[in-house]
Amino acid sequence: KQEVTQIPAALSVPEGENLVLNCSFTDSAIYNLQWFRQDPGKGLTSLLLIQSSQREQTSGRLNASLDKSSGRSTLYIAASQPGDSATYLCAVANSGYALNFGKGTSLLVTP
Amino acid sequence: DAGVIQSPRHEVTEMGQEVTLRCKPISGHDYLFWYRQTMMRGLELLIYFNNNVPIDDSGMPEDRFSAKMPNASFSTLKIQPSEPRDSAVYFCASSLRVSGANVLTFGAGSRLTVL
Repeated sequence: KQEVTQIPAALSVPEGENLVLNCSFTDSAIYNLQWFRQDPGKGLTSLLLIQSSQREQTSGRLNASLDKSSGRSTLYIAASQPGDSATYLCAVANSGYALNFGKGTSLLVTP
Repeated sequence: DAGVIQSPRHEVTEMGQEVTLRCKPISGHDYLFWYRQTMMRGLELLIYFNNNVPIDDSGMPEDRFSAKMPNASFSTLKIQPSEPRDSAVYFCASSLRVSGANVLTFGAGSRLTVL
């Protein structure tokens, strides 16, 4: 069974810092990997999707990388803002249908 | 589109009672997923449907849980009888397969508390 781990569980940074969130998975035979954002009391919002054949995806200040051979992905957030404060979840699809989620990294960006 | 709509948003019930959670997926989406989120276990997939047909229910914890999708615009997740350990946030998500990938749109969730 695919196990997805996210480190750290929580992170606090001052506004303006660049930061990296980490995700690791045990089964490298993945279909794709997605990063989501979850605000308190809300559902999940998809941020980036990386297909298994891709190495990275970018959207604005966000950049996600994928290294299948080592079972790792990183989410890089440039010039962090207080509005980036949320929980970020990594999810892996092995069959292309259902996602296996990590427990998330809770990010706090302080003004 | 109003997105994925879940009801109720909050439910407080007593142990032993029946609970029904409802979901209206995005029109045109052919996949529907039910997830449960707890602090201890994170997000767990319970069941998913494709074109209203249950495909994988291996995540359904016990026979007390059942899910139906009678048509493309409605799904229910029922717990009978409910127990305190069922307390969690239950999410419904729908998707349309694009370029071989499912990009899920999540509802706001139904927070269930069983006393």
